[in-house]
Amino acid sequence: KQEVTQIPAALSVPEGENLVLNCSFTDSAIYNLQWFRQDPGKGLTSLLLIQSSQREQTSGRLNASLDKSSGRSTLYIAASQPGDSATYLCAANYGQNFVFGPGTRLSVLP
Amino acid sequence: DTAVSQTPKYLVTQMGNDKSIKCEQNLGHDTMYWYKQDSKKFLKIMFSYNNKELIINETVPNRFSPKSPDKAHLNLHINSLELGDSAVYFCASSQAGTMNTEAFFGQGTRLTVV
Repeated sequence: KQEVTQIPAALSVPEGENLVLNCSFTDSAIYNLQWFRQDPGKGLTSLLLIQSSQREQTSGRLNASLDKSSGRSTLYIAASQPGDSATYLCAANYGQNFVFGPGTRLSVLP
Repeated sequence: DTAVSQTPKYLVTQMGNDKSIKCEQNLGHDTMYWYKQDSKKFLKIMFSYNNKELIINETVPNRFSPKSPDKAHLNLHINSLELGDSAVYFCASSQAGTMNTEAFFGQGTRLTVV
């Protein structure tokens, strides 16, 4: 069964800290893995997409890595800011189904 | 110009009613989806359509019926609404089957059944 898990479930850090969010998927036959951000009561904003053949993608202060064989991806956020506070979701793409993790709720304190 | 748009944004209705949520994408994608986000914020796929054909139909009560009149639209009709149907429903689209396929999501429809 295709399942995605994320740890930690919640994280609270002071502003300026670097942090790592973890995502694991049970079926490694993914097309790609996508990281999203969801603000309370809002939709999903795509942050980064890593193709199955890639190891890493970067966008600004965000860096996502992928280890397909071990079924893991990490999202690294550098120099966190209060505006980064949101829920971060990873989704494994299996062709015509994006399987989501439960999310990590991040709070960055000023 | 919104890539994936769904209407309405909020829907409050009584138990037993029938309601529809509409979704349209202007990205030229061949695959559209409906996801349900429950009170615990977990996103789970309900349906996936590719070129107007049903591809994935997860364990969803048959009170939920998707309709795809064309590639750009995937509507969700719900019969005999129950309290447990209260959730946020997201429509999404992608060009399926490629490594750089990215999913685009609508803003969600918050359904409240009273």
